[in-house]
Amino acid sequence: DGGITQSPKYLFRKEGQNVTLSCEQNLNHDAMYWYRQDPGQGLRLIYYSQIVNDFQKGDIAEGYSVSREKKESFPLTVTSAQKNPTAFYLCASINRAQGTEAFFGQGTRLTVV
Amino acid sequence: AQKVTQAQTEISVVEKEDVTLDCVYETRDTTYYLFWYKQPPSGELVFLIRRNSFDEQNEISGRYSWNFQKSTSSFNFTITASQVVDSAVYFCALSVRYSTFIFGSGTRLSVKP
Repeated sequence: DGGITQSPKYLFRKEGQNVTLSCEQNLNHDAMYWYRQDPGQGLRLIYYSQIVNDFQKGDIAEGYSVSREKKESFPLTVTSAQKNPTAFYLCASINRAQGTEAFFGQGTRLTVV
Repeated sequence: AQKVTQAQTEISVVEKEDVTLDCVYETRDTTYYLFWYKQPPSGELVFLIRRNSFDEQNEISGRYSWNFQKSTSSFNFTITASQVVDSAVYFCALSVRYSTFIFGSGTRLSVKP
């Protein structure tokens, strides 16, 4: 079945470490997005990519980095520069040409210990 | 700039009551899309509806209905005869030309038996 897969579901990181969250989709969607959700709050855009080898900063890109080397994959690295990384991270993708809704992964809950 | 406002942070109703979730959006663009998503406790966002800016027809799907009014920049969501399974956080979102998705802060709905 087509969909978006985020891994891992839960992730623990020590302070000062970089960590990479995986997002893979087999929907042949061109655009992919990373959102951060804090408890009781909405989704804030971190980065998005509309085409391979190109990506744009969202509203809260500081302390994060991404790559888009393949259409199917859009990994997010949370760097040590991110001061408060504990949050729920959601990846999404859409087919812009067909004007689909955004399909979401199941999310990764990152906790800094 | 685009913005989505969901003024109701939390709503609590008793089963079988009707409930309306409000969504007000801002954009200068004439071509845009509006969405509603449901986020159950598992965290994954479930797509409910998409509406484009040129289609102001209201829509009904079972117990769910949506009222889109461009004159007031609102896209409200009504659940008729609410059920306990409707308990979740509901997000309204705006996409302008499918560049990015802007989410509201969400409304937490609690339906008590």
